[in-house]
Amino acid sequence: KQEVTQIPAALSVPEGENLVLNCSFTDSAIYNLQWFRQDPGKGLTSLLLIQSSQREQTSGRLNASLDKSSGRSTLYIAASQPGDSATYLCAVRGNTGKLIFGQGTTLQVKP
Amino acid sequence: DTGVSQDPRHKITKRGQNVTFRCDPISEHNRLYWYRQTLGQGPEFLTYFQNEAQLEKSRLLSDRFSAERPKGSFSTLEIQRTEQGDSAMYLCASSLALGEYADEQYFGPGTRLTVT
Repeated sequence: KQEVTQIPAALSVPEGENLVLNCSFTDSAIYNLQWFRQDPGKGLTSLLLIQSSQREQTSGRLNASLDKSSGRSTLYIAASQPGDSATYLCAVRGNTGKLIFGQGTTLQVKP
Repeated sequence: DTGVSQDPRHKITKRGQNVTFRCDPISEHNRLYWYRQTLGQGPEFLTYFQNEAQLEKSRLLSDRFSAERPKGSFSTLEIQRTEQGDSAMYLCASSLALGEYADEQYFGPGTRLTVT
């Protein structure tokens, strides 16, 4: 059974700092991995999708990496801003359509 | 088309009542998913459709829950005889699955259900 774990559960950093969020999964047989952002009481916004054959994806200040063999992914946020404050979720997709989510990392960026 | 939409956004109901939620996916997306999220947790998969066919159901989807996607477009999720434990955010997502390509799921704003 696939399990996804995100560490840390919460993180507080000063504005401008670079930071890394971690995601690990127990079954390396994944099709893709998605990182999402969720603001309080809102739906999920897709940030990056990494196909199983890829090692990383970049979008603006965000960079996500994937190491299937070790069951790990990281989301790197450069030059953090207060507007980055949110919960970040990672999710993996196996050979069925469903996503299996971690519990999320709640990020606070202080001005 | 601006994305996945869900209606209603909020629903308060009394225990034992039936509720129905609607999801409109992104146009031409052939897959539609339902997830449930409780406070402080990641979303949990409930069920998904490819076109009209319901391809997978989680064991979380008890016999009080039923989902339909009658014409391969919008979908409804009905909960019968609601219980307080059904209180959660119900999220809908859609994607375009083409062959072996691993599709990206896009989520709606969710329906917040409170059972009193």
